[in-house]
Amino acid sequence: DAGVIQSPRHEVTEMGQEVTLRCKPISGHNSLFWYRQTMMRGLELLIYFNNNVPIDDSGMPEDRFSAKMPNASFSTLKIQPSEPRDSAVYFCASSFRAQGASGNTIYFGEGSWLTVV
Amino acid sequence: SQQGEEDPQALSIQEGENATMNCSYKTSINNLQWYRQNSGRGLVHLILIRSNEREKHSGRLRVTLDTSKKSSSLLITASRAADTASYFCATDVRAGTALIFGKGTTLSVSS
Repeated sequence: DAGVIQSPRHEVTEMGQEVTLRCKPISGHNSLFWYRQTMMRGLELLIYFNNNVPIDDSGMPEDRFSAKMPNASFSTLKIQPSEPRDSAVYFCASSFRAQGASGNTIYFGEGSWLTVV
Repeated sequence: SQQGEEDPQALSIQEGENATMNCSYKTSINNLQWYRQNSGRGLVHLILIRSNEREKHSGRLRVTLDTSKKSSSLLITASRAADTASYFCATDVRAGTALIFGKGTTLSVSS
């Protein structure tokens, strides 16, 4: 059974370039999360979708960041223009959440390691 | 913003010893979960404890929750070198919200 699939696994880009990270959640899951991990700030929630609708994007750092979920099997996180301080590991995760329920296990992808030089 | 804070930040022990990691959080929660992250990999769920539970076991893992102190502990008994990883607590404050993670405890188990 395939887990959460992220691409690319590693990306090195120059400052000012556009970066697009991709995620395929586990089939049947209805919640999708983008997290960012750095040594300084730990694991931060960027945005959370439920049934393809953004529920909480309060963690998105600034307008340079945008996320979309056009259908239940695909999401993108875009940074435009990228800056060196965006260098981090970006994780996509998914879960199945029944309405009104909490305590669901979330399943992480292996991450996209982004370096902006 | 960080909801949970793990303590200690790093822990080094010998194989066979027990490892205890603590997590404190700020606001009332529905559930608390512990996740593990091997170096260079994604996080993997270990165990969930609900706010009305005080203790839970899973194999060599024992989790406690004290809602009055807003704290939880993860005990790994008879540790193995393969337990070397970072361990994170995560909380959700109400239904429909996303998990918020602490910064983690890095455990190193030497043989």
